[in-house]
Amino acid sequence: DVKVTQSSRYLVKRTGEKVFLECVQDMDHENMFWYRQDPGLGLRLIYFSYDVKMKEKGDIPEGYSVSREKKERFSLILESASTNQTSMYLCASSLAGQGSGELFFGEGSRLTVL
Amino acid sequence: QQPVQSPQAVILREGEDAVINCSSSKALYSVHWYRQKHGEAPVFLMILLKGGEQKGHEKISASFNEKKQQSSLYLTASQLSYSGTYFCGTERRTSGTYKYIFGTGTRLKVLA
Repeated sequence: DVKVTQSSRYLVKRTGEKVFLECVQDMDHENMFWYRQDPGLGLRLIYFSYDVKMKEKGDIPEGYSVSREKKERFSLILESASTNQTSMYLCASSLAGQGSGELFFGEGSRLTVL
Repeated sequence: QQPVQSPQAVILREGEDAVINCSSSKALYSVHWYRQKHGEAPVFLMILLKGGEQKGHEKISASFNEKKQQSSLYLTASQLSYSGTYFCGTERRTSGTYKYIFGTGTRLKVLA
């Protein structure tokens, strides 16, 4: 069974802390994505990666960075967490290529920044 | 930038039909539809490709109007299990690859 696993389902952090969200996929997918989900705003793309060590900004990259040192792992980093980064974060992966089909999502990491 | 979905929310009774629309300001190569149940990951329903090819779910259908940059998802004879939030997604070309952008979401609740 294909799987995208996010390391933490729930996190509570303080303003200014550095936060790491980890995502691992076991499908040998080239593409990996980080989205944040907020009520009324849908899923917004933060960053994505189409190969190891390759990354591209999505629509809302400010305040975030990413790392992809291995094909199966994609990390989202909040260098200095702020309260407006309280959200649900979803990781996804897919095969490369246009029209290649579905994204597989993890179950999400709900981050609260106090 | 994001595709806009309508309606934002809909409530219907079991057995009723619903239509969810997705509209983009930019040209669409393909449209994806996903459903997310409360507390769960979004799950792929179907993909519609430019040129009319459709792949996906047997009980839910969709249309894709490339000219109008719109897609609609049709849920007929709704079941309780159809409740959830529906997202449309599109591929946008970026330098050397494609990124997936999702819409604003439609919350659907089916009542017994």
